[in-house]
Amino acid sequence: DAGVIQSPRHEVTEMGQEVTLRCKPISGHDYLFWYRQTMMRGLELLIYFNNNVPIDDSGMPEDRFSAKMPNASFSTLKIQPSEPRDSAVYFCASSLDGLNTEAFFGQGTRLTVV
Amino acid sequence: DAKTTQPNSMESNEEEPVHLPCNHSTISGTDYIHWYRQLPSQGPEYVIHGLTSNVNNRMASLAIAEDRKSSTLILHRATLRDAAVYYCILRDTRGAQKLVFGQGTRLTINP
Repeated sequence: DAGVIQSPRHEVTEMGQEVTLRCKPISGHDYLFWYRQTMMRGLELLIYFNNNVPIDDSGMPEDRFSAKMPNASFSTLKIQPSEPRDSAVYFCASSLDGLNTEAFFGQGTRLTVV
Repeated sequence: DAKTTQPNSMESNEEEPVHLPCNHSTISGTDYIHWYRQLPSQGPEYVIHGLTSNVNNRMASLAIAEDRKSSTLILHRATLRDAAVYYCILRDTRGAQKLVFGQGTRLTINP
């Protein structure tokens, strides 16, 4: 398996534009996590899914952020409209099940909003 | 979420053992203790996890206190490639399975 695949690796966009980040989890994994990392706030959990169903979105910063998982092999994180403070590295991770297994992270998407 | 406390930074020398401490005094009975690390410009990667007993794998060892209120990640022979931020995480069992990262310990390895 190629691991968790995120695209794009880098995104530069103008303030006010819509941004869509994509993630393909490892096949067969039941859990998918979206994280955001900045120098100031570290790694923040935004939302996670179990069997394609959002379980906890309490980390989503505001209504401008939305995430979907239409099937077991694809998830998106959308920011509309984007703002400069959204600039960060966004990571997607997946794990086979809950407590007793490891999570595998993608390489991340570095988002810059100018 | 149960909290963990780690030193902000530690320094060690190449080829020496490294002991990275973590306090988790509010751990619940069935919380698993997970360790991840993040190398520069990469996503976090799994290191090891355990529940009650000490654990060993090819990367490291995990020593868990008898009362489970603290644990120590042991790198037996550090290399320059082990320089990273190490995160100690409790995987929440109370209706959630999420991984919540703290600030971690930035480990510097001197040649």
